[in-house]
Order: sequence, then C-alpha cells, then structure tokens
Amino acid sequence: DIQMTQSPSPLSASVGDRVTITCRASQSISDYLNWYQQKPGKVPKLLIYTVFSLQSGVPSRFSGSGSGTDFTLTISSLQPEDFATYYCQQSYSTPRTFGQGTKVEIK
Amino acid sequence: QVQLQESGPGLVKPSETLSLTCTVSGGSISSYYWSWIRQPAGKGLEWIGRIYTSGTTNYNPSLKSRVTMSVDTSKNQFSLKLSSVTAADTAVYYCAGEKSQRGMDVWGQGTTVTVSS
Repeated sequence: DIQMTQSPSPLSASVGDRVTITCRASQSISDYLNWYQQKPGKVPKLLIYTVFSLQSGVPSRFSGSGSGTDFTLTISSLQPEDFATYYCQQSYSTPRTFGQGTKVEIK
Repeated sequence: QVQLQESGPGLVKPSETLSLTCTVSGGSISSYYWSWIRQPAGKGLEWIGRIYTSGTTNYNPSLKSRVTMSVDTSKNQFSLKLSSVTAADTAVYYCAGEKSQRGMDVWGQGTTVTVSS
C-alpha cells in the first residue's frame, strides 16, 4: 500500500493568511494526487485532482503543486469558510489511500 | 448531475454482516468506478474498495477477507457487504464515484452504521 503523510496537523491560521499543507507519498505516484475538504458533519468535497486541476466551482485561492512523492495544497488568502479538515489522496494505485488529514483551525 | 444515496440498517449486531446499497441517480452508472469509504467518528477516511460496472472489484487488503461488492446496473445500484463485524466497524459509510483517476468527485451523504448488541 502507498502511505500518505500530511503535515502539519493541526494548522492554526488567521483569516487572510497564506496557508500551505504538505502531503508526502511513500513512493512515486506521478501526478495522481487529489485534495479534499471536509467540514464537520459534512461530506468530503473534491477540491483539486491530479495535483493542480481545480474541481468545478472551487475558488481560485486554492491551488496545488508537486510531483512524484511531494505535494502541496495552498490557500492564498484564508477565508472563514475554509476552516475545515483537508485530506490528500492518491489515485495512482489500489488500495486508494488518504492522508491522515490536516485540520485548519482559527488562530 | 449524478447523485448518490446510501441505504441500509443503521445498527448491526457483532459477528453479523453489514449490508449497504448505493443508488445512483441523475446519470449513468457506467463510466465510473464506484467506491465505498468509511470514517469512524473523529477519525480519517478509509477506502474499503471499489467496483466497476463490469463487476471488476478492488478491495483494501486490510478488509478483503470480509468484503464483497456487487453492482446491479438494471437498478443503478451497487452494494457493500462486510461480514463478521465488530465495534471497530462502527463508522459513517460513504459511497463515491471516481472517473479516470481524477479523484472522487461525487459522494453520497453518508450513512452511520453502529455495531452493537
């Protein structure tokens, strides 16, 4: 199985901050890396697929980068509605695996 | 717009079999890989496995001995069976769809399953 490790966890930030979350895969996954946002009691929502492609309707303040084993999710200017838990997930092989999640908290 | 809806018992006794169904509406059941994912309270996401409309399956090795997935294209449904459940299987269970390795872009609202006598 491919292990996905996220950092930091949790992350404390303020509205307007630039926030970066890192995800590392235990082996190369090419560009098959996706990011999800989950708010408490809600369904995970796909934000970004294959490293940097924004899912329809996702604000442009979200961006992704990376390749191989190291990836990042960046929120350019954190908004109140962005406080949530973020998960990375690889779609390179099965079993599909998720990172442990990064909770973005209010500082 | 494809929509998913999970259904099944919310309470299952230990050692019995958990059975859930996901109904696909608003679009074709074809062209997607259909997955089951679970999330224990306060914890992260665990992928259980997936099925394609051809019936091809991939299971998480950690659960493989207890998991069976099936698809009924005539009803636009796919299903999960998890046998010999214990309290550790208590979680919110989601069904989700993935197309072309582009992440799971469609999710059901989730159903809570509690394993308890």
